[in-house]
Amino acid sequence: DIQMTQSPSSLPASVGDRVIITCRASQRISTYLNWYQQKPGKAPKVLIYAASTLQNGVPSRFSGGGSGTDFTLTISSLQPEDFATYYCQQSYSTPRTFGQGTKVEIK
Amino acid sequence: EVQLLESGGGLVQPGGSLRLSCEASGFTFSYFAMSWVRQAPGKGLECVSSINAFGTSTYYADSLMGRFTISRDNSKNTLYLQMDSLRAEDTAVYYCAKDSRDSYSDSRGRFDYWGQGTLVTVSS
Repeated sequence: DIQMTQSPSSLPASVGDRVIITCRASQRISTYLNWYQQKPGKAPKVLIYAASTLQNGVPSRFSGGGSGTDFTLTISSLQPEDFATYYCQQSYSTPRTFGQGTKVEIK
Repeated sequence: EVQLLESGGGLVQPGGSLRLSCEASGFTFSYFAMSWVRQAPGKGLECVSSINAFGTSTYYADSLMGRFTISRDNSKNTLYLQMDSLRAEDTAVYYCAKDSRDSYSDSRGRFDYWGQGTLVTVSS
């Protein structure tokens, strides 16, 4: 199975901050990388797929980049509703494995 | 509007069985692969089982060791997960997730809709 490693695990931040989360795959996965947001007690929601394509309805302050093994999720200006846990997921091969998550917390 | 409604979770003793259901609406269920993703308390996400749109191909996580069976009834727009020989480590919220493709092995796929989850607690 492909291992996905996110950093950091926890990210204290303030409203208005630019936030960057990184995700590394244990082997090359081209751009078959998705990002999800999960709020407490709720189901995950897809934000970005194919490394950089914004899912319909997701605010443009979210962006994704990278290819091969290294990927980033950027929130250009953190909003109060963005405090949540973010997961990357590779879809290059079965099983579609997730990273361990990055919790964006209020500083 | 796409809706996925899970049911069937609850408290079960170790060694017991449960059957989860996920009733889908708002899209053509028979066109898309489906998966069960679980989340243990305070932990991350794990895709435990997937099935293609036609029901002819399935995936199971190694950790299940043959104890779970995924199935679907396209005439009823419903996904199932039969869970046998349950263990404490199976305690989790179980989400059903719709794939954006008809095959769970399609690299272009993503989980574009999720149910609200159903809690399975395995404890004596």
